Amino acid sequence: IQLTQSPSSLSASVGDRVTITCRASQGIDNYLAWFQQKPGKAPKLLIYAASTLQSGVPSSFSGSGSGTDFTLTISSLQPEDFATYYCQQYNSYPFTFGPGTKVDIK
Amino acid sequence: EVLLVESGGGLVQPGRSLRLSCVASGFSFDDYAMHWVRQAPGKGLEWVSGINWNSRGIGYADSVKGRFTISRDNAKNSLYLQINSLRAEDTAFYYCAKDKAGTFDHWGQGTLVTVSS
Repeated sequence: IQLTQSPSSLSASVGDRVTITCRASQGIDNYLAWFQQKPGKAPKLLIYAASTLQSGVPSSFSGSGSGTDFTLTISSLQPEDFATYYCQQYNSYPFTFGPGTKVDIK
Repeated sequence: EVLLVESGGGLVQPGRSLRLSCVASGFSFDDYAMHWVRQAPGKGLEWVSGINWNSRGIGYADSVKGRFTISRDNAKNSLYLQINSLRAEDTAFYYCAKDKAGTFDHWGQGTLVTVSS
């Protein structure tokens, strides 16, 4: 199952609302997760089951979608949110990641 | 606190083998599936392999099938990845990750494998 993300990168300002999309090449129900990764660090789980917020993750992050189309939304971008975001499907082996979306400062 | 510590990376010549290890603590290791995920320097994430709690369910990425072998020792709270016939394209940080219903809720710090002559 191939995952595509759009955009591949974006520039935004603190306080902006940001939306990242992830599309699967075939239906994956809601078996989709979102990760945040900062340079030199391991990825951090943000959202699983397409819309469930991982414990400890700010409520400014939200996820939606089912089937083939998914979105990650950051309602108000904070300085610590500048990072690269990846979607990941776990509907079936082999699991796959999207290519990533880099969010940087405008 | 969940802690995952990888080891075994290093500089290796093409065609050689390597075994990566991950020692887990802070949770009941034998209750969870575990995974390896890699990331080439400056590139995206690639799931490599996963193993369920009793080693009866195993999966591999197509890119490593036949060369990589995942295993675990629940008595030692340890996960392993045997990598054979190393290629330049295997150069990456290799992360050990704890399963959460198919995704990954805790990650190690990674171990770097560099394949070069």
